Amino acid sequence: GDSVTQMEGPVTLSEEAFLTINCTYTATGYPSLFWYVQYPGEGLQLLLKATKADDKGSNKGFEATYRKETTSFHLEKGSVQVSDSAVYFCALNWSTGGSYIPTFGRGTSLIVHP
Amino acid sequence: DSGVTQTPKHLITATGQRVTLRCSPRSGDLSVYWYQQSLDQGLQFLIQYYNGEERAKGNILERFSAQQFPDLHSELNLSSLELGDSALYFCASSVDPPTGTVFPHGYTFGSGTRLTVV
Repeated sequence: GDSVTQMEGPVTLSEEAFLTINCTYTATGYPSLFWYVQYPGEGLQLLLKATKADDKGSNKGFEATYRKETTSFHLEKGSVQVSDSAVYFCALNWSTGGSYIPTFGRGTSLIVHP
Repeated sequence: DSGVTQTPKHLITATGQRVTLRCSPRSGDLSVYWYQQSLDQGLQFLIQYYNGEERAKGNILERFSAQQFPDLHSELNLSSLELGDSALYFCASSVDPPTGTVFPHGYTFGSGTRLTVV
């Protein structure tokens, strides 16, 4: 079935460093792709999304581009802040019986030090 | 506040017991999804309901069941609980697009119920 693989963490960075979290997917069709963020003690929040090849999703300084040729959707941010410390999940939708089910990667923990 | 409400936030119970987790979706959303999040398994999809009917099933154990009521709130019932059932249980809701169209929306998650089986 469709699946998502993302880099294992934790990723530890200093404030203002550049961030990349890798995500690749396996899908039979052309799924929508998402990044979610989970802050400690909270549920997942949608960070950004892309629905077709070459689309770039962006929000709060984070960006990710839907690359069909490399089946990737890597998350980037030019300058991280301590407040970005959280767990980041890459996800895609797979279609079954007329419904769309989100499938998530294992999550990547980001720790940003002052 | 995401608009998805889950109760209770924390639950501690003994092995062999039965519990019910409740979820109220965001206003206007007809679909409800249940997920189990544990350290070793990550986020596992359990089951989806759409407008009161079961739509899709994932890795849900036979000891677990769910339903969605006419007012669209959903309940997840966990019975004969085992230590390994200890996890965070999330509910999410969404607006479903017409069949066959691209799905542009994300999903809205509740803050979860932390279940501890002792």
